[in-house]
Amino acid sequence: EIVLTQSPATLSVSPGERATLSCRASQNVYTNLAWYQQKPGQAPRLLIYAASTRATGIPARFSGSGSGTEFTLTINSLQSEDFAVYSCQQYNDWPPSTFGPGTKVDIK
Amino acid sequence: QVTLRESGPALVKPTQTLTLTCTFSGFSLSTSGLCVSWVRQPPGKALEWLAMIDWDEDKYYNTFLKTRVTISKDPSKNQVVLTMTNMDPVDTATYYCARSGRFYAFDKWGQGTMVTVSS
Repeated sequence: EIVLTQSPATLSVSPGERATLSCRASQNVYTNLAWYQQKPGQAPRLLIYAASTRATGIPARFSGSGSGTEFTLTINSLQSEDFAVYSCQQYNDWPPSTFGPGTKVDIK
Repeated sequence: QVTLRESGPALVKPTQTLTLTCTFSGFSLSTSGLCVSWVRQPPGKALEWLAMIDWDEDKYYNTFLKTRVTISKDPSKNQVVLTMTNMDPVDTATYYCARSGRFYAFDKWGQGTMVTVSS
């Protein structure tokens, strides 16, 4: 099973600043990695798939990069609605598909 | 518009069997390439994929739950059903159904249903 590690666990950012989140895989997943945003009491929302492709309707301030075992989600100019938990998911190796533990982005 | 909605009991007792239904609209699970999975999230913890069924009725399970979980579909009703036997308090979680391509990212999710396992 591929284990995903996310860092940091919590990231405190001021509105308008940039947030950089990391996801590391225990094995090579190529670019078979997705990022999700989750707000309290809500379902996850797909942001990025194939490591760097924005899902439909996702603002351009969200970008993903990386391949292999190291991935980054960057959120430029954080808006109030961006404060949430962000999780990565690998879908290179099924079953099982696995998720990271999440990074909470909160207001500094 | 694609929507998914989970339904089932909010409370089950230890050792009981849980049955959850995902009712979806806006797509057909008979369409080649489409799949529906169940994913759960214990309170304050990470998401955990449980099972997937595809358009061809192939089924995939997380190995750690494989003996307890069954996934099935009823295309005529646009429903996918998850049964989980021998429920334990550690199975307390919000259970989501989600759509994907086979072995791909989940592009649509239901709102989730919270299941508590307690006597």
